[in-house]
Amino acid sequence: AQSVTQPDIHITVSEGASLELRCNYSYGATPYLFWYVQSPGQGLQLLLKYFSGDTLVQGIKGFEAEFKRSQSSFNLRKPSVHWSDAAEYFCAVGRTGGFKTIFGAGTRLFVKA
Amino acid sequence: KAGVTQTPRYLIKTRGQQVTLSCSPISGHRSVSWYQQTPGQGLQFLFEYFSETQRNKGNFPGRFSGRQFSNSRSEMNVSTLELGDSALYLCASSPGTTTNEKLFFGSGTQLSVL
Repeated sequence: AQSVTQPDIHITVSEGASLELRCNYSYGATPYLFWYVQSPGQGLQLLLKYFSGDTLVQGIKGFEAEFKRSQSSFNLRKPSVHWSDAAEYFCAVGRTGGFKTIFGAGTRLFVKA
Repeated sequence: KAGVTQTPRYLIKTRGQQVTLSCSPISGHRSVSWYQQTPGQGLQFLFEYFSETQRNKGNFPGRFSGRQFSNSRSEMNVSTLELGDSALYLCASSPGTTTNEKLFFGSGTQLSVL
């Protein structure tokens, strides 16, 4: 069965600083990997997704993520964080032939001025 | 195009009661998934429906059930409510025809069980 681990419950970064949110997945074959963001009181919005090909994926709002098969990781990065990026971020995994997306517990990002 | 609509937005119930939550997917989407979100637990998968058939189910007790109608609208029902059922229930829709689809989420129904 697939699973997702987000080791950091919350992270605080200064505005303008770089950001990396960690995600590790467990799945026997090549997974489908996603990052979603949830602003307070809102549903989730897709930032980016990886299925195959180039292991560095570009998303919306200046985010990118890198798939590393050897480390079973799919970390999310942003070179310069803005105050509006404060939100909760979820890593998710899907599997070939299944219509079930499994989410991690989330990482809450705080941005300080 | 209208987004995913969930009703009601907030709900307060007492232990032992039952509750029905509704989800209207994006027009043309045939897959509806339900998730339970609680602090620290993230999103827990409840079930997924496609063309009125349940294709996937998570590890929840039988008190949690769902259904999908011919117009793709979906409902989930929780019977004999427990305090631990207090959560944000999220519905997500997608076309449902391939595995790697993006999910479109509603804003959720916040259920409080007293």
